[in-house]
Amino acid sequence: GQSLEQPSEVTAVEGAIVQINCTYQTSGFYGLSWYQQHDGGAPTFLSYNGLDGLEETGRFSSFLSRSDSYGYLLLQELQMKDSASYFCAGRGISGGYQKVTFGTGTKLQVIP
Amino acid sequence: DGGITQSPKYLFRKEGQNVTLSCEQNLNHDAMYWYRQDPGQGLRLIYYSQIVNDFQKGDIAEGYSVSREKKESFPLTVTSAQKNPTAFYLCASSMTGRTDTQYFGPGTRLTVL
Repeated sequence: GQSLEQPSEVTAVEGAIVQINCTYQTSGFYGLSWYQQHDGGAPTFLSYNGLDGLEETGRFSSFLSRSDSYGYLLLQELQMKDSASYFCAGRGISGGYQKVTFGTGTKLQVIP
Repeated sequence: DGGITQSPKYLFRKEGQNVTLSCEQNLNHDAMYWYRQDPGQGLRLIYYSQIVNDFQKGDIAEGYSVSREKKESFPLTVTSAQKNPTAFYLCASSMTGRTDTQYFGPGTRLTVL
């Protein structure tokens, strides 16, 4: 099976940098994705790390370390609109099929 | 515009009734998924389908059923056997082999009275 752990809440100041961590336990691990979800909305894909290292997409970066079973999402130059929940999702193999398991999510509050 | 549609946005049903949630996509994706989300929780996989006429149970399939007769459509039926059906239901799709990048519909909020 797979399990992913994230902090439940994080608060950061507008303009600052925040890091959201994700540790995982999974079999047949392929990689780690990140999604953003505003209250009442649908999750939207942010990034995917299939290899160790840092992936950068604008203000957002994501990092993966397979040896540590750990990843993080880094948000820079925080804006009020970044207030949302962020989910890591592990891609692995279960019963011969590719499957994704989501973490419980981190609620980010950006304050002025 | 390509995307995923779910209808309706809000659905109310009486306890003991079956209800079917629709999910349609025009992204030409082979894989489709159904998730359940409870307040303050992550997404839990109910069923997924990687190709037409084939689907697999996810982590919480009990009390749910699906069909995949067309590539574009993946309806979910919440049966009366589901003990606690009130939740936010999300449908998603992805390209074959790209379960890491899923595109989600707007969701259906089901309330069972």
